[in-house]
Amino acid sequence: NAGVTQTPKFRVLKTGQSMTLLCAQDMNHEYMYWYRQDPGMGLRLIHYSVGEGTTAKGEVPDGYNVSRLKKQNFLLGLESAAPSQTSVYFCASSLRTGIIYNEQFFGPGTRLTVL
Amino acid sequence: AQSVTQLDSHVSVSEGTPVLLRCNYSSSYSPSLFWYVQHPNKGLQLLLKYTSAATLVKGINGFEAEFKKSETSFHLTKPSAHMSDAAEYFCVVSDIQTSYDKVIFGPGTSLSVIP
Repeated sequence: NAGVTQTPKFRVLKTGQSMTLLCAQDMNHEYMYWYRQDPGMGLRLIHYSVGEGTTAKGEVPDGYNVSRLKKQNFLLGLESAAPSQTSVYFCASSLRTGIIYNEQFFGPGTRLTVL
Repeated sequence: AQSVTQLDSHVSVSEGTPVLLRCNYSSSYSPSLFWYVQHPNKGLQLLLKYTSAATLVKGINGFEAEFKKSETSFHLTKPSAHMSDAAEYFCVVSDIQTSYDKVIFGPGTSLSVIP
């Protein structure tokens, strides 16, 4: 049981380049999330998904797109990278119970630098 | 709107002495509250969570937190710090009931443990 995995772990991009971050979970969780972490700001939600084929915007969605074609995978895309997108990106997932808030399980993170 | 304040951006303690990390929240309803820990270059791990059951919550690695509604606080404590406790700690509050487990992260408290 690997939990939540993220690919790649590190990446350096030039301004204007594009890339896709991959998140995979093997816990059969319905909900998946993409966050970015910047110093002194905690984690901020970029996009989330409540199930296969559905996605929605979070707090800071501009410049990012996502897709969830399979329940276990959640992809985060940067169409035209900007230096402001230099950050550490975390993927998370949680189990839908519909009653109480459940903990989110986090991946190890992807450190992205945009030059 | 829900919000989280972590009163100290950095806390330094000596090994073997008590740890206190402070968290205050703002919520218009009874929230769920979490503490997560992030060790250097790692993902986030759940320490403990409060979901309207017992107000004193025990977590992993000897940590506990007490929910005080009158003070809107959820401070994290540990009787005796260990070197391995050095990490970043995030207080997290559940957002207004939505279709997914939306939460809001505090900015984090960095804990240093001095030998």
